[in-house]
Amino acid sequence: QKEVEQNSGPLSVPEGAIASLNCTYSDRVSQSFFWYRQYSGKSPELIMSIYSNGDKEDGRFTAQLNKASQYVSLLIRDSQPSDSATYLCAVNIETGNQFYFGTGTSLTVIP
Amino acid sequence: DARVTQTPRHKVTEMGQEVTMRCQPILGHNTVFWYRQTMMQGLELLAYFRNRAPLDDSGMPKDRFSAEMPDATLATLKIQPSEPRDSAVYFCASGFGVGYEQYFGPGTRLTVT
Repeated sequence: QKEVEQNSGPLSVPEGAIASLNCTYSDRVSQSFFWYRQYSGKSPELIMSIYSNGDKEDGRFTAQLNKASQYVSLLIRDSQPSDSATYLCAVNIETGNQFYFGTGTSLTVIP
Repeated sequence: DARVTQTPRHKVTEMGQEVTMRCQPILGHNTVFWYRQTMMQGLELLAYFRNRAPLDDSGMPKDRFSAEMPDATLATLKIQPSEPRDSAVYFCASGFGVGYEQYFGPGTRLTVT
């Protein structure tokens, strides 16, 4: 089992819809969780960080963390074609103080 | 505009040659990470430094890869000798620790023929 798992997609949503991206992790003592966006041929760009259970909102983005169920999700409201990218989930595994990325979910927003 | 810089942006070399990649972290960040990204493996953490000291290089092939941080403004990743399987995009990132936000450089696209 990988430390961080994501559905690779592709996920397609119409413009204006809500895109929902999910990520599960294996280590129960993980503390820090991050979402990155990566456009093709570019480097990962930090979108959100979340450290405690619940929701965290930043503009059109909402990160949701549920440590009991070991998942973290990213909601993108009012999706725009410019949101089309690969979204990477990342987790700081406290055991061994390691940092792992998921393989990413490809999102396409259809105009 | 604070950002991580990496050089070179592209490198094509022949198998067996030495490759050196350089990274300048964001001023003030005390932790520097090296990643490798391929289509097959995704984004893999190779090594990271905190306050210039290597903390973990367990993700790095030890026989041919080496990472150093000669000063707070420069991190290097060397491959000697390079092999075709090393072809990938190598990213440097910096931040305030493993559990905190990391900011990525533009990457070095390495092709070993």
